Amino acid sequence: DTGVSQDPRHKITKRGQNVTFRCDPISEHNRLYWYRQTLGQGPEFLTYFQNEAQLEKSRLLSDRFSAERPKGSFSTLEIQRTEQGDSAMYLCASSSGQGDTEAFFGQGTRLTVV
Amino acid sequence: GQQLNQSPQSMFIQEGEDVSMNCTSSSIFNTWLWYKQEPGEGPVLLIALYKAGELTSNGRLTAQFGITRKDSFLNISASIPSDVGIYFCAGQLSSSNTGKLIFGQGTTLQVKP
Repeated sequence: DTGVSQDPRHKITKRGQNVTFRCDPISEHNRLYWYRQTLGQGPEFLTYFQNEAQLEKSRLLSDRFSAERPKGSFSTLEIQRTEQGDSAMYLCASSSGQGDTEAFFGQGTRLTVV
Repeated sequence: GQQLNQSPQSMFIQEGEDVSMNCTSSSIFNTWLWYKQEPGEGPVLLIALYKAGELTSNGRLTAQFGITRKDSFLNISASIPSDVGIYFCAGQLSSSNTGKLIFGQGTTLQVKP
């Protein structure tokens, strides 16, 4: 296992379409996080899973956003009815959750809504 | 929301020079992490700090967890062209144990050979 994997790397979609991103965390990492990063800014927290349970969601995560981690392994982030303001880099990170906070990030999915 | 103030915003230095950047907040943190991000890639973890006053090195990089627990510093010695990138500080609030991180705005480093 070489790290956190995200798919796709890039996605261009028309406004109003739905998109889904996938994240495969480091094996045996219990914690999984989604962040959003816009140009010139640091990543902003969206949501957090401990195993399969979604334990925290940011106010940034509108009703159009939904995330799942059905078996406590990979996770998906879906955006419904995309808007131009959703254009950003979506980053996934994982950590072991065992006494440390070291989060390892994937390469991200760059979303462009046209 | 919570903010981390990271400075400087950008630096343009000569190869071989030392670099310093820092992050400050009005809130208390129990963890500080430093990441480097290159264009089109995700952040890569450089150094993790868990105790006030802790000083940790990773090669030419040295970071410190401030005594007040409200700040952290990163130093890069003898910079080389491959140090180019955006450096982010990130912290976990002392009131949290979820691993949720708050990030600074980043310091863009450019190194002239």
